[in-house]
Amino acid sequence: EAGVAQSPRYKIIEKRQSVAFWCNPISGHATLYWYQQILGQGPKLLIQFQNNGVVDDSQLPKDRFSAERLKGVDSTLKIQPAKLEDSAVYLCASSFRDRATYEQYFGPGTRLTVT
Amino acid sequence: DAKTTQPPSMDCAEGRAANLPCNHSTISGNEYVYWYRQIHSQGPQYIIHGLKNNETNEMASLIITEDRKSSTLILPHATLRDTAVYYCIVRRSYGGSQGNLIFGKGTKLSVKP
Repeated sequence: EAGVAQSPRYKIIEKRQSVAFWCNPISGHATLYWYQQILGQGPKLLIQFQNNGVVDDSQLPKDRFSAERLKGVDSTLKIQPAKLEDSAVYLCASSFRDRATYEQYFGPGTRLTVT
Repeated sequence: DAKTTQPPSMDCAEGRAANLPCNHSTISGNEYVYWYRQIHSQGPQYIIHGLKNNETNEMASLIITEDRKSSTLILPHATLRDTAVYYCIVRRSYGGSQGNLIFGKGTKLSVKP
């Protein structure tokens, strides 16, 4: 079974530029998550999708971050404009259903450096 | 905030059992105990989860105390590849925002030859 795919793996941009990350979840997984992991900390949830609808985006900085999951499969996360504090690893995860009995599977992440 | 307490770091000799403790004294009846690990430069990897009973799979065993206020993850024969940060997470059983994973800082396990 193929895992969660993410691209790019690394990205370096200057502050105030924009950037987009892409995620392809495991086939058949209805729930998709985006996390932000700052160096030395655990991942923090940014947004959760159930199919193509948003379940929770309470921790997404909506003035600069946006995310979509068209057709309920792939998802993109965008930052515009980027700030220095956005430097982090952005992780995508998916699960079969939105229940605690179903584990989340994580992708390898995209490491973003904002200079 | 994370609802669990874990030691920041632990060492283990290769081939020996690694026992990672986790305190979750405020856990409620409908909350699961989840364990993930994160090897350097990789995404978190699911290990095991349980509600009340002890659980075992091909990776590890999870021992939950009878009052459910603490648990221990056991890696029976640690190898160098088990060096990672291990996260213990309490997660509500129903979905939506209240069932999300909230990661703390975890325990950095170093397996030494």
